[in-house]
Amino acid sequence: GENVEQHPSTLSVQEGDSAVIKCTYSDSASNYFPWYKQELGKGPQLIIDIRSNVGEKKDQRIAVTLNKTAKHFSLHITETQPEDSAVYFCAASGDFGTGTSLTVIP
Amino acid sequence: DTAVSQTPKYLVTQMGNDKSIKCEQNLGHDTMYWYKQDSKKFLKIMFSYNNKELIINETVPNRFSPKSPDKAHLNLHINSLELGDSAVYFCASSNLPGPGNYGYTFGSGTRLTVV
Repeated sequence: GENVEQHPSTLSVQEGDSAVIKCTYSDSASNYFPWYKQELGKGPQLIIDIRSNVGEKKDQRIAVTLNKTAKHFSLHITETQPEDSAVYFCAASGDFGTGTSLTVIP
Repeated sequence: DTAVSQTPKYLVTQMGNDKSIKCEQNLGHDTMYWYKQDSKKFLKIMFSYNNKELIINETVPNRFSPKSPDKAHLNLHINSLELGDSAVYFCASSNLPGPGNYGYTFGSGTRLTVV
């Protein structure tokens, strides 16, 4: 969406390595930042989210960090596994980023 | 199972036809959406309804008409289909209105192919 930029568009990592996907947004009123995972042939699924009063949130191997001053937030996946391969989307103010196709190489 | 269900999963039709996609959610959510995902995977909001009332109507051709008979259903009717309408259409729902405030639950998508 116009409000949200997402990088990189594609990302390949070796199994066990970490993956980081970054998003920037322009609407300073944004206060909720979800991340979605879309597997082939399925709809996007919410995997983690963060609100603007928090700087970091972690759920097992995934974490999201938020820098509200700089208007950017990132998804971190540690110890990647082949089943992490999917397209990941960030969102802010209802606009979605352009997606990152993550491939985890066994 | 609690979910957002949309039908059909695949739809192949000729140019000029009229078709509908149905969506139902049993999550008790107040807000439902239609998104279009193009071949580059871009997700673009089309419509948003809160408790049967239209609250978002993005720049979408008026050949697309959403209908919400109740807050659990949001159907999408498309008239005079064009080649450029080919895409995957996702229905979604969320608790409370205002995209950008709550996470969405998406349906599994309807792949529309216009030939």
